Amino acid sequence: GQNIDQPTEMTATEGAIVQINCTYQTSGFNGLFWYQQHAGEAPTFLSYNVLDGLEEKGRFSSFLSRSKGYSYLLLKELQMKDSASYLCAVRDPTGANNLFFGTGTRLTVIP
Amino acid sequence: EAGVTQFPSHSVIEKGQTVTLRCDPISGHDNLYWYRRVMGKEIKFLLHFVKESKQDESGMPNNRFLAERTGGTYSTLKVQPAELEDSGVYFCASSYGTPNTGELFFGEGSRLTVL
Repeated sequence: GQNIDQPTEMTATEGAIVQINCTYQTSGFNGLFWYQQHAGEAPTFLSYNVLDGLEEKGRFSSFLSRSKGYSYLLLKELQMKDSASYLCAVRDPTGANNLFFGTGTRLTVIP
Repeated sequence: EAGVTQFPSHSVIEKGQTVTLRCDPISGHDNLYWYRRVMGKEIKFLLHFVKESKQDESGMPNNRFLAERTGGTYSTLKVQPAELEDSGVYFCASSYGTPNTGELFFGEGSRLTVL
């Protein structure tokens, strides 16, 4: 089976930097995704990593280490609107296009 | 461009009743997925359509769940008869072909409450 772990909750201050970690144990590896989900809304795609290293996209960056089964999402210059759940997901290692999700990290940004 | 739309947004039914959830994917997306999030748990895969064909239904919990995608456009997910443990948020997602990023576009979900 697939096992994906991430912290349940985090709190950070507006303007600061926060790092949300995700570790996974899967039978193979075929890509890792981060999604953002505001309460009552659809999860929206943030980033995708399939090779080791850092992918930067504006204020958000995502890092992957396949040998360690580890990823993090880095959010810089936090804004109040960044308060949301952040979902780490790995693509089915069999090659199917479905995703296995972690339980999500609920981030609260405080003034 | 319209996103993935789901109906109803919230349904409250009694145990033993039937509910049908509908998903309209993004136009032109061949791949359609159903996922479910039970309270406090992670979002879990239910099944995957490619056009009108079921590509993978390994996540379907039992035979009380029936998904269809006639014509390869919208999809329905029927739960009959509903049980208490079926309560949760049912998400639909779609994607075009099998893109390298595998980005799935999600709907806002249909919240099902079984009393």
